[in-house]
Amino acid sequence: QQQVKQSPQSLIVQKGGISIINCAYENTAFDYFPWYQQFPGKGPALLIAIRPDVSEKKEGRFTISFNKSAKQFSLHIMDSQPGDSATYFCAASSAGKSTFGDGTTLTVKP
Amino acid sequence: DAGITQSPRHKVTETGTPVTLRCHQTENHRYMYWYRQDPGHGLRLIHYSYGVKDTDKGEVSDGYSVSRSKTEDFLLTLESATSSQTSVYFCAISESPSGGGKGTQYFGPGTRLLVL
Repeated sequence: QQQVKQSPQSLIVQKGGISIINCAYENTAFDYFPWYQQFPGKGPALLIAIRPDVSEKKEGRFTISFNKSAKQFSLHIMDSQPGDSATYFCAASSAGKSTFGDGTTLTVKP
Repeated sequence: DAGITQSPRHKVTETGTPVTLRCHQTENHRYMYWYRQDPGHGLRLIHYSYGVKDTDKGEVSDGYSVSRSKTEDFLLTLESATSSQTSVYFCAISESPSGGGKGTQYFGPGTRLLVL
């Protein structure tokens, strides 16, 4: 049973556009929701994260929107750049264990 | 990569042979994790450790064992490798299990394993 569902699987955006990736979770015990960015041949790296008592968190061009009642959260990348082309994973964590979405491959065209 | 190394970085082995992957950290973090990454499956937790000699199973632990005799080292062993264990394996560390800040997981560079 997949506890974190991520969509879309792949996304193509023009430079300067907005990239939006969505995730939904089932387990209400999750208390931490990080997003990771992974470049080819590298390990995932934390991009931005949010706790469920906050509805939105912004860091530079990256924003997480969190809807606790709907058990959904999303990553918005504003002014997308070719350097943002990577695979993005959402995750939901509880008691030190993280469950990851299947990932979204983002391609930003120049 | 937050002071995390994995060895080997690449390995080709044959079905039925034992394989051990090593994760080494210099951050003195208490928690260590082994994940596998496969296309279309994201990252799946194999085993994790919450201290020296303290380990527990993740969601895909069958066919894998782990050991942690020192804070800095976490070993993953495939007792008898199968083709289904061909994957990229990532080690991760975190300072604490709680969410946010110290609960952030930092990943190593990965090990590509091919089982023929």
